[in-house]
Amino acid sequence: GNSVTQMEGPVTLSEEAFLTINCTYTATGYPSLFWYVQYPGEGLQLLLKATKADDKGSNKGFEATYRKETTSFHLEKGSVQVSDSAVYFCSRLREGGSEKLVFGKGTKLTVNP
Amino acid sequence: DTGVSQNPRHKITKRGQNVTFRCDPISEHNRLYWYRQTLGQGPEFLTYFQNEAQLEKSRLLSDRFSAERPKGSFSTLEIQRTEQGDSAMYLCASSKESSYNSPLHFGNGTRLTVT
Repeated sequence: GNSVTQMEGPVTLSEEAFLTINCTYTATGYPSLFWYVQYPGEGLQLLLKATKADDKGSNKGFEATYRKETTSFHLEKGSVQVSDSAVYFCSRLREGGSEKLVFGKGTKLTVNP
Repeated sequence: DTGVSQNPRHKITKRGQNVTFRCDPISEHNRLYWYRQTLGQGPEFLTYFQNEAQLEKSRLLSDRFSAERPKGSFSTLEIQRTEQGDSAMYLCASSKESSYNSPLHFGNGTRLTVT
């Protein structure tokens, strides 16, 4: 199938802690992969993306590496801030030229001071 | 960049009624998407327009659902004979180019409650 599975939340961390949110996907080929983020009261926005194997997407201190061997795209940040509190969605594009984004269920992150 | 605007923000309706939502994309974006999100789930794709042409439709979009983008600018999503299972957040997004190359910009959504 064409699905995305991400770590169940919620995740609660203290400021400056290390963050990992796991994401794996199923695909017959090599889909483009994305992390979207939804801050409280705002619409979803793109955080980072990777379009081919071994690509690393990065933004705002967050990183994710496209691993075809493990079909994974885990999100990491070395030192989280209170302002990173949000819901994070892993997603992939369907193959074959489709514009359909397939999203995971989302992981809610709360960072405490 | 004024962002993607959706109206109304909330809609409460009785089962069997028709509802219509509006989405105004970012002005230079020619691609427009509708997604639906239920509690605890990620957004699910409903349909996609390039300019006024509806190019993709999900099987989720039953015959009670219809979306239009008549002039290639704003779009409407109509649900006829609403059911309780239609209760969800309806999200609109737009992009300048294909989602392979260009990020989707999402609105804040319209929350539908069917009683």
